[in-house]
Amino acid sequence: SQTIHQWPATLVQPVGSPLSLECTVEGTSNPNLYWYRQAAGRGLQLLFYSVGIGQISSEVPQNLSASRPQDRQFILSSKKLLLSDSGFYLCAWSVQRNGYTFGSGTRLTVV
Amino acid sequence: AQRVTQPEKLLSVFKGAPVELKCNYSYSGSPELFWYVQYSRQRLQLLLRHISRESIKGFTADLNKGETSFHLKKPFAQEEDSAMYYCAHKPPGYSGGGADGLTFGKGTHLIIQP
Repeated sequence: SQTIHQWPATLVQPVGSPLSLECTVEGTSNPNLYWYRQAAGRGLQLLFYSVGIGQISSEVPQNLSASRPQDRQFILSSKKLLLSDSGFYLCAWSVQRNGYTFGSGTRLTVV
Repeated sequence: AQRVTQPEKLLSVFKGAPVELKCNYSYSGSPELFWYVQYSRQRLQLLLRHISRESIKGFTADLNKGETSFHLKKPFAQEEDSAMYYCAHKPPGYSGGGADGLTFGKGTHLIIQP
């Protein structure tokens, strides 16, 4: 069956520290992968998407970066976190027109 | 820019009352529209899509191109319907290799009172 794993579930990091959030999918090949951020009062915002290994597109300029080292692995990173990076981060995947499947999310608090 | 607008941040109705969650989109082409739901402590999941013309958990949504709306409706609300609801829009012309990231509205928090 197709599943998506995202970890950690919660994370508290100091300002200026690095970040690495990981997302992996199972049961599918060559999915489109996405990172969304859900900030309070702002809904869901698409940050990055990837249509294949090593292919990353950014939707908004920001302090974050993404990488896709393997077909089913998508990583969200930052070298130095800002307070404004706090939020709820969601990984999602899709294959053609079959809708989107979301991970359970990571609650990031930058202090 | 494409936009999805959900004018209500919070909607509170009594159990058994009708529910309508509003969604308007700004794209002028032939859109694909979705409703996603996030129950407390659960992941965001697809509720329904306009292409399927389906009814899920008693909810329906009709695409009105004239009003550019895709409102979510249920005739009799139940307590388990309490959740965060997101309307989402997907650009047309997706071919499997391009950008197809959904544009989400800001969400409506639906509370069903007993």
